[in-house]
Amino acid sequence: RKEVEQDPGPFNVPEGATVAFNCTYSNSASQSFFWYRQDCRKEPKLLMSVYSSGNEDGRFTAQLNRASQYISLLIRDSKLSDSATYLCVVNQGETSYDKVIFGPGTSLSVIP
Amino acid sequence: SAVISQKPSRDICQRGTSLTIQCQVDSQVTMMFWYRQQPGQSLTLIATANQGSEATYESGFVIDKFPISRPNLTFSTLTVSNMSPEDSSIYLCSVAGTNSNQPQHFGDGTRLSIL
Repeated sequence: RKEVEQDPGPFNVPEGATVAFNCTYSNSASQSFFWYRQDCRKEPKLLMSVYSSGNEDGRFTAQLNRASQYISLLIRDSKLSDSATYLCVVNQGETSYDKVIFGPGTSLSVIP
Repeated sequence: SAVISQKPSRDICQRGTSLTIQCQVDSQVTMMFWYRQQPGQSLTLIATANQGSEATYESGFVIDKFPISRPNLTFSTLTVSNMSPEDSSIYLCSVAGTNSNQPQHFGDGTRLSIL
């Protein structure tokens, strides 16, 4: 089993739709979790951290389920500019230089 | 977050040659990392660049192929040595604090093509 797994997609959704991505991780001792966004041929950029209680940033909501070892990202009212690859990132250690694993990414295309 | 600059942004190289990529940060950072992202793939950690000591390499990556320097807390270089077409990739440096709750931030990458 891969350490971090994501549905690769692509997810093709119309503008205004709500879309959800899931990510599962294998190491139950994982400490911290993030969602990054990567545009085509660009570097990954932090979208949001994921907190145990769940957190929201505008149209984006992230949730963590430690018991089931998955995190999710919900995007409401999708915009064309949301089209990108979304990377789930898991830090398995207690410090930032312990093992950080990037998921394979989920591709999203928002269609007019 | 820190501003991270990578040079060159892209290059096309002949096989058998070597290229050094520079990563400059506008503030002192404890941790710097080098990643590779091959076409259609996610990021793979090459090594952690430690200031004042040898880099720590991940499985499958060796110092002879990817020598790294970290002379101070704001700068690092990665050299891709004796390049082959399989080394064609995006190379990314990133920085982070010491707390695991602090995310990594990336430079804008070096797009490398080997002929």
